[in-house]
Amino acid sequence: ETGVTQTPRHLVMGMTNKKSLKCEQHLGHNAMYWYKQSAKKPLELMFVYSLEERVENNSVPSRFSPECPNSSHLFLHLHTLQPEDSALYLCASSQGVTGLGTDTQYFGPGTRLTVL
Amino acid sequence: TQLLEQSPQFLSIQEGENLTVYCNSSSVFSSLQWYRQEPGEGPVLLVTVVTGGEVKKLKRLTFQFGDARKDSSLHITAAQPGDTGLYLCAGSLDGGAGSYQLTFGKGTKLSVIP
Repeated sequence: ETGVTQTPRHLVMGMTNKKSLKCEQHLGHNAMYWYKQSAKKPLELMFVYSLEERVENNSVPSRFSPECPNSSHLFLHLHTLQPEDSALYLCASSQGVTGLGTDTQYFGPGTRLTVL
Repeated sequence: TQLLEQSPQFLSIQEGENLTVYCNSSSVFSSLQWYRQEPGEGPVLLVTVVTGGEVKKLKRLTFQFGDARKDSSLHITAAQPGDTGLYLCAGSLDGGAGSYQLTFGKGTKLSVIP
């Protein structure tokens, strides 16, 4: 138990569906992250929020839309996804506001997403 | 081209054996982290190394950061089934303020057979 929870743990959706992934951190951290983990590929950083403001967006398609209503919650809204978007989506949080590279990131268990 | 190359990709060993996994790059990292990820879970940080040549020990695990800060190794002594998992290395290219980007390797999948 790392203090970062994600729901749902598993999600199957069609290409025309709209769904949302939720992440909550109970650690009092200031930064939150979305990562994508695909088979045979490295973990890919998608979005970073610091103090509820988006600070990095790594050229992610617009069919992925993040939302950070407060420092404890992070959402990833999904719309008209493609089968190649099937992956494990991981949320993480870290203490730092400045986002030092040595800042420890605490990961949630992930949401296993399958797009049919 | 993969920025961080991890080897081997897969490793299956008997309980009690020793092993070493590697993380190599042509780039210089200001810090490097090792994570272990178990099935159905997110990665959990094991160690962060920041100084070239640094060696850190965590029980039976020994981590080394290369002198040039381009590579790292993880050595496990007397492996146990509980060591089974995906070992990921992740490097920070710029340790300065505002640097959120961690570059991950693909990982080494370790299976320790009882």
